[in-house]
Formats: sequence, structure tokens, C-alpha cells
Amino acid sequence: KQEVTQIPAALSVPEGENLVLNCSFTDSAIYNLQWFRQDPGKGLTSLLLIQSSQREQTSGRLNASLDKSSGRSTLYIAASQPGDSATYLCAASYNQGGKLIFGQGTELSVKP
Amino acid sequence: GAVVSQHPSRVICKSGTSVKIECRSLDFQATTMFWYRQFPKQSLMLMATSNEGSKATYEQGVEKDKFLINHASLTLSTLTVTSAHPEDSSFYICSAQDGGRGDPNEQFFGPGTRLTVL
Repeated sequence: KQEVTQIPAALSVPEGENLVLNCSFTDSAIYNLQWFRQDPGKGLTSLLLIQSSQREQTSGRLNASLDKSSGRSTLYIAASQPGDSATYLCAASYNQGGKLIFGQGTELSVKP
Repeated sequence: GAVVSQHPSRVICKSGTSVKIECRSLDFQATTMFWYRQFPKQSLMLMATSNEGSKATYEQGVEKDKFLINHASLTLSTLTVTSAHPEDSSFYICSAQDGGRGDPNEQFFGPGTRLTVL
């Protein structure tokens, strides 16, 4: 069964810290992996998409890595800000145009 | 670009009534749209995949007669929750794939619809 897991479920850090969010997937034959941000009561905002052939993607203070052999992806957030507070979801796709399998999310709180 | 809207954003209805939720791609043509459901403090669960002009494909355990999906055009898909009950109360989110540009696998999400059934 293809499953995606995110640990921890919640994380609280002081402003300015660098942090890493973890995502693991049971089936390593991944097609791509996406990281999303969700604010309370809102939809999803796509942050980064990593193809299976890629090792990482960067956007501003965000860097996402993908290690298929170990079934892991990480989202690195540099110099965290209170505005980064949200739930971060990773989702795996196993074929082109296919459905996304979501993790449970990590609720991040950045304290000023 | 790649904006997806949903209407309504919030709906409260009585048990037994039907509710229609619209999902629109505003600046692109979406050959495929997806409908997800999210319960409080839980992740998104895919309900069905909707392709323009054809029947939707439902995930295991999702009742197709209860959750009616219509994808009549390349910019609009609708989800109708028929005879809604309190257990159907949830956050419903749609997403769309842009068939004409960029990464065809990338999904763009709507802002969600909060359904509360009394």
C-alpha cells in the first residue's frame, strides 16, 4: 500500500531558526513529490515540485530534497519567520497525471 | 496564472438537502480535476478524479450516487452532495491540472468549501 507519512505532526520554533520538515513514502517508485502550504481554513498553495529524476528544488528560503532510495523527502526552511506558520503537506504521485497521496501534514508555528 | 476558484466558500444546510459545489479554472483549461475531502486535523483524501466529457473515477469507499460529479467543460467541474447528513460535514477542496502548459502533473488547488450539515 502506498502511504505517505510526515513527522513531526507539530513543530514550534523561535523566529530566525532554520528547520527541517520530514516526509517519508513507502513505495520508492515515485513519479514526483510536491510540498504544499495550507493556512487554517484555506486551500493549498504549491511550494515546490520535485520530479523523480531530481534531487532537490529551491525557491527563496525553501529547499526540498528527494531521496528515492530511502523513501524520504525533506523541506528545509531557512531563517524562519512568523509568516511561515502554517501546515505543510507533502504529497507523492506515482504516475503521470496521477492522483496525489498526501501525508498528514506538519503544523508549524514560528514564534516572534 | 493557474488560479482555481470554488463556490461557495462556506455552506450550511439541513440534513437531507443537496448541496452543489463549483470548481473553476480561471485562466487555463483543466482536462482533469480532482475532488478531495479533508476532516479536521486530517490530511486530504482523494474522492474522485474528473475528466472533461467523461464519467468520474471514484476512489474506493466513496459512494458515486451520493457524491455526483459533473465535468461539463474544460473550466468547470461540480460536486453535488446529495441527501447530505451531518457526517458529510467536511472541507471539500478541488484541484485542476493544466493540460496546456507547464508540468502536466502539477495540480493547482482551489480555496476549499466548508460544508456544515445540521
